[in-house]
Amino acid sequence: RKEVEQDPGPFNVPEGATVAFNCTYSNSASQSFFWYRQDCRKEPKLLMSVYSSGNEDGRFTAQLNRASQYISLLIRDSKLSDSATYLCVVNTDYKLSFGAGTTVTVRA
Amino acid sequence: ETGVTQSPTHLIKTRGQQVTLRCSSQSGHNTVSWYQQALGQGPQFIFQYYREEENGRGNFPPRFSGLQFPNYSSELNVNALELDDSALYLCASSLEGPGNTIYFGEGSWLTVV
Repeated sequence: RKEVEQDPGPFNVPEGATVAFNCTYSNSASQSFFWYRQDCRKEPKLLMSVYSSGNEDGRFTAQLNRASQYISLLIRDSKLSDSATYLCVVNTDYKLSFGAGTTVTVRA
Repeated sequence: ETGVTQSPTHLIKTRGQQVTLRCSSQSGHNTVSWYQQALGQGPQFIFQYYREEENGRGNFPPRFSGLQFPNYSSELNVNALELDDSALYLCASSLEGPGNTIYFGEGSWLTVV
């Protein structure tokens, strides 16, 4: 079983739409959780950390369910610039484990 | 940007050769990690260095080795290159601790032919 599993998509949505996707992780001892964004042929960049209480950063909302070992990301009012691959990341001790990414394409 | 710089940005090597990739961490960051990202995959953890010592390793063979220097910069060395080693190699720096943010460099694209 992979340490982090994500819905690969792709999600193809019109501008202004809401898109949501999630990932699951296998290690219940994992300590911290993140969403990273990766543009084509670029390095991953931190989008936001994810907390059990849920957290928002502008149009982005992340949620963590430790009991179900499930992490979600919701993007409201999608912009063309949101087109990217979104990587679910789980930190266990010294090691980051990445999902394979969810591809989102926002069309005009 | 992130203050993490990697070199070279692109290189082509022949199967069986050896390669050294370099990384300068963000100022003040004492922990450096290396990741391999094959096309269409998420980054895979290779190993991490903290204060010049390896303190964690992923599922990679011994021909993947590394160093961290007193200024916290780092090298990744890969011996006996194989075609499957073709990937984007990412260096990330952070302060020690599982909750600290990790910052990636732009990566080194390695093609093995």
